[in-house]
Amino acid sequence: DTAVSQTPKYLVTQMGNDKSIKCEQNLGHDTMYWYKQDSKKFLKIMFSYNNKELIINETVPNRFSPKSPDKAHLNLHINSLELGDSAVYFCASSQLGREKLFFGSGTQLSVL
Amino acid sequence: SQQGEEDPQALSIQEGENATMNCSYKTSINNLQWYRQNSGRGLVHLILIRSNEREKHSGRLRVTLDTSKKSSSLLITASRAADTASYFCASGARQLTFGSGTQLTVLP
Repeated sequence: DTAVSQTPKYLVTQMGNDKSIKCEQNLGHDTMYWYKQDSKKFLKIMFSYNNKELIINETVPNRFSPKSPDKAHLNLHINSLELGDSAVYFCASSQLGREKLFFGSGTQLSVL
Repeated sequence: SQQGEEDPQALSIQEGENATMNCSYKTSINNLQWYRQNSGRGLVHLILIRSNEREKHSGRLRVTLDTSKKSSSLLITASRAADTASYFCASGARQLTFGSGTQLTVLP
């Protein structure tokens, strides 16, 4: 069973569209994250949720809205997609107080 | 700004050789972690070293930490073609901050 799973793996869309990426973890962790990896492989944190509550919200355009229906799920909705949003988005989870992160396999977003 | 910066950006070696990657960070840390990313995959945790530790081993991995220089190194001994991947260091108190990684290529 995949510990952290995110869907879809690939997402190709036109500028201006709205899209969502879903993430689920079955590790029983209480904290989930969204990271963005650019074309130079630089990985930057976007959001972090602990027990469904937002605890980290880095400088990210408000077109990006995370939603955590329960502590096993953290979805990312993106409105009015722009060319610069093209990247690989990673979901991750951890148990608060334990530093190790578990990552999903990523969603390659291409905005045309 | 990046908390961790890896050096070199790319490293190519022959199978059986050792690979050393370095990481520098900017602020005080509780621990420093190393992750590996295979092409098209997510990051996988390799090893964690705490700020009061100077060296740690795990299989063919050896990590050192020098808090006075704010630097760490990852040594992979007797490398294999399967070690080909990107390697990232990460640190941070409230959130983990990653650098852009070292791309290691091990040639068979």
